[in-house]
Amino acid sequence: SSELTQDPAVSVALGQTVNITCQGDSLSYYHASWYQLKPGQAPLLVLYAQGNRPSGIPDRFSGSTSGNTASLTITGAQAEDETDYYCSCRDSRANHLLFGGGTKLTVL
Amino acid sequence: QLQMQESGPGLIKPAETLSLTCSVSGGSISDSRYYWAWIRQPPGKGLEWIGSIFYSGNTYYNPSLKSRVTMSVDTSKNQFSLTVTSVTAAETSLYFCARHTGSGSYYFDSWGQGALVTVSS
Repeated sequence: SSELTQDPAVSVALGQTVNITCQGDSLSYYHASWYQLKPGQAPLLVLYAQGNRPSGIPDRFSGSTSGNTASLTITGAQAEDETDYYCSCRDSRANHLLFGGGTKLTVL
Repeated sequence: QLQMQESGPGLIKPAETLSLTCSVSGGSISDSRYYWAWIRQPPGKGLEWIGSIFYSGNTYYNPSLKSRVTMSVDTSKNQFSLTVTSVTAAETSLYFCARHTGSGSYYFDSWGQGALVTVSS
């Protein structure tokens, strides 16, 4: 189906590592991109293509894909990483774009 | 650095037409490497892609909205626009404009801050 599935909520202790996953058939064909959404701010691209980081994104953010599942990994999570994260991908069946339902990350 | 800014009425009535414009600065909307898109986020919910337009006017719409959505581009003003007809209260959302790559694995590399549109009588 043309859907991307994310866990609604994930938590991590400060300084530890967390994985946020995104699952969908289209991820077998196209790379995921990941976005950080904070209230009152424009969404921020944090990863694209095969785990590439835009300029200014800390290297604690990394990405990978296995089969139909993409992962965003934060190694050494910081308090400022606590927010919502969304994955996106091109739809393999049409020239459309898909978003996951979003994951709320809590840093304890 | 590319900047994008949404503008339009913040309050419209049910069954009316929603109209928004995105003004682009710091780059050309005629850049053939990119598409220009609208995305929305209802309060407390996730992101939904509405559609994308190329500078030539080619459009791609979310199938769930296709019958009510029109996008257009004005290269002379470096702007693109969105209209959604017959809106309901459920379409109260933060509407974002964004730019995405036009080949391979698409990704959105620039976004506006968003414009809140409330649908209420």
